[in-house]
Parts: sequence; structure tokens; C-alpha cells
Amino acid sequence: DQQVKQNSPSLSVQEGRISILNCDYTNSMFDYFLWYKKYPAEGPTFLISISSIKDKNEDGRFTVFLNKSAKHLSLHIVPSQPGDSAVYFCAAGRGGSEKLVFGKGTKLTVNP
Amino acid sequence: GAVVSQHPSWVICKSGTSVKIECRSLDFQATTMFWYRQFPKQSLMLMATSNEGSKATYEQGVEKDKFLINHASLTLSTLTVTSAHPEDSSFYICSVRTDSNQPQHFGDGTRLSIL
Repeated sequence: DQQVKQNSPSLSVQEGRISILNCDYTNSMFDYFLWYKKYPAEGPTFLISISSIKDKNEDGRFTVFLNKSAKHLSLHIVPSQPGDSAVYFCAAGRGGSEKLVFGKGTKLTVNP
Repeated sequence: GAVVSQHPSWVICKSGTSVKIECRSLDFQATTMFWYRQFPKQSLMLMATSNEGSKATYEQGVEKDKFLINHASLTLSTLTVTSAHPEDSSFYICSVRTDSNQPQHFGDGTRLSIL
């Protein structure tokens, strides 16, 4: 039973356009969410996070939106750059616990 | 700069061999480290939480006698895959948190291939 789902295994966008990566979760106890980026043969790198008390967090080109009623979050990258091409993992955690639950990842390809 | 160093990055060995993977925290003391496993096209799955000076906490379904974790110092945790078999072939990765308000930082992982 997957508690964190990334239903799109891959996404392809043109350079300069917006990339939208989606993530759904089932456990209403999750209260913080993170996005990690992973290049081949490297470990995941933290990108951005959001607490359940917020519905939006922005950091430069990256914005994460949280819709608690829908148990859905999304990562927007604008403008997309070829260097953004990587696998993006959504992760969720519960307050008081250090454990994270990850989705399967979405492979983003940004075409020049 | 890097927060976590993991070694080796790639291991190929024969079935029945035991393999040790090291995870080191750089420039800070980590009382807790995490070990994950990732099969191809699957999510990162938490295997165990490594606690300095005490026994590791294993997730349900993970055999503690198969995956031995030693966290003997504040900067080093090791995962030993004992008597490895082809089904143990996977990507193993560790992570740490520098403090409770920071996200987990990951090592670069170890690709384990058992022939």
C-alpha cells in the first residue's frame, strides 16, 4: 500500500516552459513534505519542503503547492532548464518522527 | 558541500559474500542515520534507523540478521549485507539530519550487484 504516489513516471517539457510534477498521499497524519532531485549515480538532493500549515512555499524557480483537502502536492519549476533534467522524488513525514516515505519518482526531461 | 560520504559506490561480488557499506557524516556528529534501499523504478524504502551506541531500529519486513547495522561512532554507520544473494542486488543509500529542523541529506549510494 503506497502512501505516497507519483503517478507520472516521466515528464518531458521544453526549455523555458513550466514543469509541473505531481504527488498524492493517503496518510492524513503526514504534516510535512519534501521534494528531492536525483541525478544518475548520485544520492537525492534536497530541493524544497513545505509544512502542512502552509499551502505554498517558493524558492527561486521552484514552488511547492499543498492542497491538504485533496491530499495533493505539486512542484512547479519555471522556467525549466536542461540542467533540471533528473528524477524528482516526493517524500512525506510526520511530526515527531524522522522517517520519510517516498514516492517512486518522476523523471523530468527538459529539452533545449 | 557534501554532508554525507558513502563508500563504496559500486560493488560486484559472488553470491554468499558479505558486503560492508560505510556511511560517514562529514564535519558534524550524527546520532541517527538512516539506511534506505531502492529497487529499479521503485521508491526509496527505509530499511532501518541507525542509532549511535544502541541497536538499530528495523522496519517491518527487514531481516536484522541479514542486514547488520553498526553505529559505533558519531560519524560512522555501517551496513553489512550478510551472505548476499542475487535478490539483494539493489541501490543502498544512507542519510542523516544535521539537526531536527533540517531535511535529511543523502549519500551518493552504493550499487550492489550479486552474481
